[in-house]
Amino acid sequence: DVKVTQSSRYLVKRTGEKVFLECVQDMDHENMFWYRQDPGLGLRLIYFSYDVKMKEKGDIPEGYSVSREKKERFSLILESASTNQTSMYLCASRPGLAIQETQYFGPGTRLLVL
Amino acid sequence: SQQGEEDPQALSIQEGENATMNCSYKTSINNLQWYRQNSGRGLVHLILIRSNEREKHSGRLRVTLDTSKKSSSLLITASRAADTASYFCATDRAGNNRKLIWGLGTSLAVNP
Repeated sequence: DVKVTQSSRYLVKRTGEKVFLECVQDMDHENMFWYRQDPGLGLRLIYFSYDVKMKEKGDIPEGYSVSREKKERFSLILESASTNQTSMYLCASRPGLAIQETQYFGPGTRLLVL
Repeated sequence: SQQGEEDPQALSIQEGENATMNCSYKTSINNLQWYRQNSGRGLVHLILIRSNEREKHSGRLRVTLDTSKKSSSLLITASRAADTASYFCATDRAGNNRKLIWGLGTSLAVNP
């Protein structure tokens, strides 16, 4: 079974803090994604990566950056957390470039920024 | 922008009944996928239907696709309490194979 793990299920941070969300997949997948999920807005893509050290902006990259130094790990960084970044963050991975391939999701990190 | 739009937004049924959820989209697609999300968890892939397919089955799931109406439906037969979850459709647009477009989801409650 594909396993995608996220470093924290729940996280509470203060405004202005730098926040790291880690995601690890164990199936040698090429593609990895970070989404945020908010009520009434659905899943919105923040960033994705199609290879080590490669990244591409999604629909809402502002206020976020990412890092992919190793194939299995994709990190989302909030440079200076703000209250409007309170959300559920979901990481996903996909075997290859074909968009019809299944995305495998982690359990999510619920982030609260005070 | 969200291309997929599911309806109804919420659905409540009794165990054993069938549940039907719909997804509409705006532009031509290559594929449409359905995912399930249990409360507060990640999403799980259920089924994919290609634009040249009209119907697909997987266990108690039946998905149809009508490209002329730009819509898809997900039918869950003989529902169980464990089917309680949110269901999302995701499409990839013809000519844009970089990212999926996600709907807002249908929240299904199956009452025992």
